[in-house]
Amino acid sequence: GENVEQHPSTLSVQEGDSAVIKCTYSDSASNYFPWYKQELGKRPQLIIDIRSNVGEKKDQRIAVTLNKTAKHFSLHITETQPEDSAVYFCAANGASYDKVIFGPGTSLSVIP
Amino acid sequence: GAGVSQSPSNKVTEKGKDVELRCDPISGHTALYWYRQRLGQGLEFLIYFQGNSAPDKSGLPSDRFSAERTGESVSTLTIQRTQQEDSAVYLCASSLGIAGGNYEQYFGPGTRLTVT
Repeated sequence: GENVEQHPSTLSVQEGDSAVIKCTYSDSASNYFPWYKQELGKRPQLIIDIRSNVGEKKDQRIAVTLNKTAKHFSLHITETQPEDSAVYFCAANGASYDKVIFGPGTSLSVIP
Repeated sequence: GAGVSQSPSNKVTEKGKDVELRCDPISGHTALYWYRQRLGQGLEFLIYFQGNSAPDKSGLPSDRFSAERTGESVSTLTIQRTQQEDSAVYLCASSLGIAGGNYEQYFGPGTRLTVT
């Protein structure tokens, strides 16, 4: 089955700097890669996703890149703000289309 | 509209007792998922329902865990003979699924289970 790894497990950045979180997946059939943000004590929420027919997708300060050959994808957050502090989970769907397997998460702290 | 709801929000039970957790998905969502999240940990997949297809139970950690879903509505997760290691937040999520072409999962607020 699908296996998703995520690095780093914790990340601290100064406000205004960029943050990058990297994930790798094992199943070459995966074609859907979402990213979820979970603030402390709250439920996870989708922030961006990418499908395998594109290599990059942007939404304001957030961007995701995908390298299908290498089986890795990354989340980039620019001009970080304190409200970006949260745990971020990447995921990949393997061959089951809408069932995703989550990575272990990255705890991001943005220092004012 | 209404989001995913779960009940109870908190449950404290004694070791060895059975517990039942409930999830009400968003109306029209054919896919429903259960996850377990231990304190400070990631989202551990438990079980997945898609429409009338047989559920994917590959994530259930033991035969003490079971789940049912009535059609495309309410789901219940049952844990029998609870153990202390079952203590966690149990999250339910739903999505439009394959038919809807939208895989975004909408999570409920979770049930915090504490086994004493």
